[in-house]
Amino acid sequence: DAGVIQSPRHEVTEMGQEVTLRCKPISGHNSLFWYRQTMMRGLELLIYFNNNVPIDDSGMPEDRFSAKMPNASFSTLKIQPSEPRDSAVYFCASSFRTRRDQPQHFGDGTRLSIL
Amino acid sequence: KNQVEQSPQSLIILEGKNCTLQCNYTVSPFSNLRWYKQDTGRGPVSLTIMTFSENTKSNGRYTATLDADTKQSSLHITASQLSDSASYICVVSYSSASKIIFGSGTRLSIRP
Repeated sequence: DAGVIQSPRHEVTEMGQEVTLRCKPISGHNSLFWYRQTMMRGLELLIYFNNNVPIDDSGMPEDRFSAKMPNASFSTLKIQPSEPRDSAVYFCASSFRTRRDQPQHFGDGTRLSIL
Repeated sequence: KNQVEQSPQSLIILEGKNCTLQCNYTVSPFSNLRWYKQDTGRGPVSLTIMTFSENTKSNGRYTATLDADTKQSSLHITASQLSDSASYICVVSYSSASKIIFGSGTRLSIRP
């Protein structure tokens, strides 16, 4: 099992640039989650999808953030325009959400630095 | 206010010793509680998941307990190993598992 795959692993860019983070969930999983982790705020849920449909995006910080899931095997998180305060590690996770006790499987994250 | 609090914030113990990490929560209605282990530079990995009716769940040397009355959970690590050095995060789901709150984590360091 390949696990959740995120790309890129590291991204450094200047403020104002568009940033796109990518995620391939585990095959067969029907729920996908995007998280952000910082030293100050810990892990925060940004948005999650169920069967490719966004269910709860209340954690998305502002309109500069958008997420899509065009099919069951791919999702993107886009920041446009990026700002230095967006610097964080962004995690994608997937699960098989027919039962409440199913674990989420996390990717190894994208470390984003906005200069 | 829905909250998850973990203690201690950090802990250092000698290899081979046992330790217990605490998680207190104030969410309603409770759905489930999970403990994750996060190694430096990696994503969190699920250790245990407990629903309302479960009091104890083990995963190797890791044993989690849940007291739904007092809204407390603990993670007990037996015979610690150097590889146990990591952050341990308590995560509580509520409102039919549609909402989720993360604790700030306990950073555990195992010394040889």
